[in-house]
Amino acid sequence: LAKTTQPISMDSYEGQEVNITCSHNNIATNDYITWYQQFPSQGPRFIIQGYKTKVTNEVASLFIPADRKSSTLSLPRVSLSDTAVYYCLVGVTGGFKTIFGAGTRLFVKA
Amino acid sequence: DTGVSQNPRHKITKRGQNVTFRCDPISEHNRLYWYRQTLGQGPEFLTYFQNEAQLEKSRLLSDRFSAERPKGSFSTLEIQRTEQGDSAMYLCASSGLGSKNTEAFFGQGTRLTVV
Repeated sequence: LAKTTQPISMDSYEGQEVNITCSHNNIATNDYITWYQQFPSQGPRFIIQGYKTKVTNEVASLFIPADRKSSTLSLPRVSLSDTAVYYCLVGVTGGFKTIFGAGTRLFVKA
Repeated sequence: DTGVSQNPRHKITKRGQNVTFRCDPISEHNRLYWYRQTLGQGPEFLTYFQNEAQLEKSRLLSDRFSAERPKGSFSTLEIQRTEQGDSAMYLCASSGLGSKNTEAFFGQGTRLTVV
């Protein structure tokens, strides 16, 4: 299973763009990269998933370079409600033995 | 469908007692997962079902833990002879056949406190 490394914490201000980078040097050919968001006392919530290049949805963008050894979650114009823990995961085809690391604690200040 | 539902939301039990948690996945999802999460850590995988078959179990799932999904719908997680170290949030997630690798939908969790 590919291990992921991401910063333990990040601070930002409302209205700024936040980029959280995750390293996954041992990613396998069939693995997808997925990001989850978790608020206190709630289960993680799916944000975005990608395989290569760039994926964008209404919440975030995901940038994946050609070698796929890292990925960057981009949150445009964050608000106070984006304060949460963000997890980067690399999937295992068919196995779904999803491995969460400690995540990145994002704190958005007014 | 209202998503993945877990009951109870909170459970306080005395050490040595047995507890059982229930998870109702999204109705069309055939895959179901259990995780455990302690404060400040990410969720840790416990076990995985595809329909009624339990396909994977983590080493974290000691012989005091058992999970079932008898008809391929809801699932139960039982902990026997609870210990204080079992105090954690127990999360359930589900996904469908068409889902990509790690796109799972989580419930709100059951917070267990062993006193």
